[in-house]
Amino acid sequence: AQTVTQSQPEMSVQEAETVTLSCTYDTSESDYYLFWYKQPPSRQMILVIRQEAYKQQNATENRFSVNFQKAAKSFSLKISDSQLGDAAMYFCAYKGGSEKLVFGKGTKLTVNP
Amino acid sequence: DTAVSQTPKYLVTQMGNDKSIKCEQNLGHDTMYWYKQDSKKFLKIMFSYNNKELIINETVPNRFSPKSPDKAHLNLHINSLELGDSAVYFCASSQHDRGQGGYTFGSGTRLTVV
Repeated sequence: AQTVTQSQPEMSVQEAETVTLSCTYDTSESDYYLFWYKQPPSRQMILVIRQEAYKQQNATENRFSVNFQKAAKSFSLKISDSQLGDAAMYFCAYKGGSEKLVFGKGTKLTVNP
Repeated sequence: DTAVSQTPKYLVTQMGNDKSIKCEQNLGHDTMYWYKQDSKKFLKIMFSYNNKELIINETVPNRFSPKSPDKAHLNLHINSLELGDSAVYFCASSQHDRGQGGYTFGSGTRLTVV
């Protein structure tokens, strides 16, 4: 079974600085998708960024980018120019052939003014 | 227009009661899901339906019964509620043949059993 591990339960960053959230996963599949979701205190789950495993190029969405290392099974999220509104729980997720989205346990990000 | 809507947003009920949570999506997706988020924020899949057919049924007590009258709706009925059922329940949808798409989530239903 696939597993997703987020080793940082909590992280903090100063406003305008850069922070990287870690995620590793375990799978025997070669074709899959990886996601980062944000959950602010409103509890809404918001898709931040996605990556197809067959693409070598790292995905970027404005201030959010990933470092996808397929051989190492690593998928970290970098947030540049952090803003107060970035404060939230961040979940890494894996989706393979089973249609099931498997989540990590999340990282709580605090942004300090 | 809300893409995935769940009702109610909050539900407080006594042990032993039966309750339902409703979910509707207007995205035209063919697959819908129920996830449970526990007090430690861990999200775990419970059920998935594709075109009204159950395709994922994780280890969930049989007090939980999903019902999909059509591909736009997936309801969750819970019998004989227990204290441990207290959690946030999320409905989500996706398009099966668009593998690169993530799920679109509803805003969640916070269930509190007292």
